[in-house]
Amino acid sequence: GAVVSQHPSWVICKSGTSVKIECRSLDFQATTMFWYRQFPKQSLMLMATSNEGSKATYEQGVEKDKFLINHASLTLSTLTVTSAHPEDSSFYICSAKTGDYNEQFFGPGTRLTVL
Amino acid sequence: GQNIDQPTEMTATEGAIVQINCTYQTSGFNGLFWYQQHAGEAPTFLSYNVLDGLEEKGRFSSFLSRSKGYSYLLLKELQMKDSASYLCAVTDSNYQLIWGAGTKLIIKP
Repeated sequence: GAVVSQHPSWVICKSGTSVKIECRSLDFQATTMFWYRQFPKQSLMLMATSNEGSKATYEQGVEKDKFLINHASLTLSTLTVTSAHPEDSSFYICSAKTGDYNEQFFGPGTRLTVL
Repeated sequence: GQNIDQPTEMTATEGAIVQINCTYQTSGFNGLFWYQQHAGEAPTFLSYNVLDGLEEKGRFSSFLSRSKGYSYLLLKELQMKDSASYLCAVTDSNYQLIWGAGTKLIIKP
């Protein structure tokens, strides 16, 4: 149980285009989903927290107009990187939690390369 | 501020035992997690401690002392596949996960 999937697992795009990453909880309802970014040899950096049906809460320094997060249902959240640039190339990981449980269940990650 | 400290890198020998320490200073405490992350992959859950003491799970054990703001992850009978980064994370009073930078563990034959 507690499986989280991400799609795509990797994507290469041209500078200036937008990329959408999906995060799905497959066998549970995720009341809260988190989006992380991880640069090589660095730890996870929380970008935003989203609760189903409400606007995402962005961490300081994360542009909400550039990283659009939608959490329309209890099993799906999407992150759209708008007007991507090479510096946005990173490993994007989502996680999900349910109810009162503290544990976050991680998706497999999406590796984004912007040319 | 909130802070999680763990060593950047450790090296151990296959078959041996290694202890990875984590100290934390956070606004409130609602549990401590250890995750394993292999290069290029997402983290996977190893353990969760919310009360003081030792939690054992197979070759891996995790210890917590809330009064000292201290935890360790103990790995026994090390195998080559244990080479990975080990991330310590603390849930604060707002139930937000605060992450350590991770400890890269290198296992040598």
